[in-house]
Amino acid sequence: SSELTQDPAVSVALGQTVRITCQGDSLRSFYAGWYQQKPGQAPLLVIYAKNNRPSGIPDRFSGSSSGNTASLTITGAQAEDEADYYCNSRDTSGNLVVFGGGTKLTVL
Amino acid sequence: QVQLQESGPGLVKPSQTLSLTCTVSGGSISSGYYWSWIRQPAGKGLEWIGRIQTSGSTDYNPSLKSRVTMSGDTSKNQFSLNLTSVTAADTAVYYCARGVLGIALAGYYYYFDYWGQGALVTVSS
Repeated sequence: SSELTQDPAVSVALGQTVRITCQGDSLRSFYAGWYQQKPGQAPLLVIYAKNNRPSGIPDRFSGSSSGNTASLTITGAQAEDEADYYCNSRDTSGNLVVFGGGTKLTVL
Repeated sequence: QVQLQESGPGLVKPSQTLSLTCTVSGGSISSGYYWSWIRQPAGKGLEWIGRIQTSGSTDYNPSLKSRVTMSGDTSKNQFSLNLTSVTAADTAVYYCARGVLGIALAGYYYYFDYWGQGALVTVSS
């Protein structure tokens, strides 16, 4: 079982804002990384170190963190944002790596 | 631009050893990052298998630890995964990735910034 918990599925209307959350005790000490994965593709880093975007990631993607919860927000969701989203962090021991179970985002 | 590429057999028989290599280009595996293997069974989520550091130190997922060995070859800029005694449950897409560990204002962070394209490994007789 994963030490990071994500909602299995979330939907958003085109152009609206959606928040995807990730919960776990390790998030009190470690910022989550967020990944977008489309079918048949490798995961793509979209947010790291709380709210940093790699080059090429649109600024509609943002991150935040509070207590044991990390959030990925997409402001003005586009059709191309439909994908699976995963969070990751270190585990509570600080030595290992864990992933959330993933959230399937549907853009309506 | 850092690139990672997995290579190895796509089919492994049950009880045998799965062996994969990740070749890194555009950067050195000796450069202080954490080089990981991650797998994903069809239709399921990501599972971290383990990592090797520049120093050669390794950490493994406790659920796989008894069967996993990772190693690095700095002369070839590669790192490798061996998973012994495989079963059908080990059938998955295997990714190699570069891990980054650092500290920000209010905490640490750990993320994977570069990934290989993935290698499908099927365990079947």
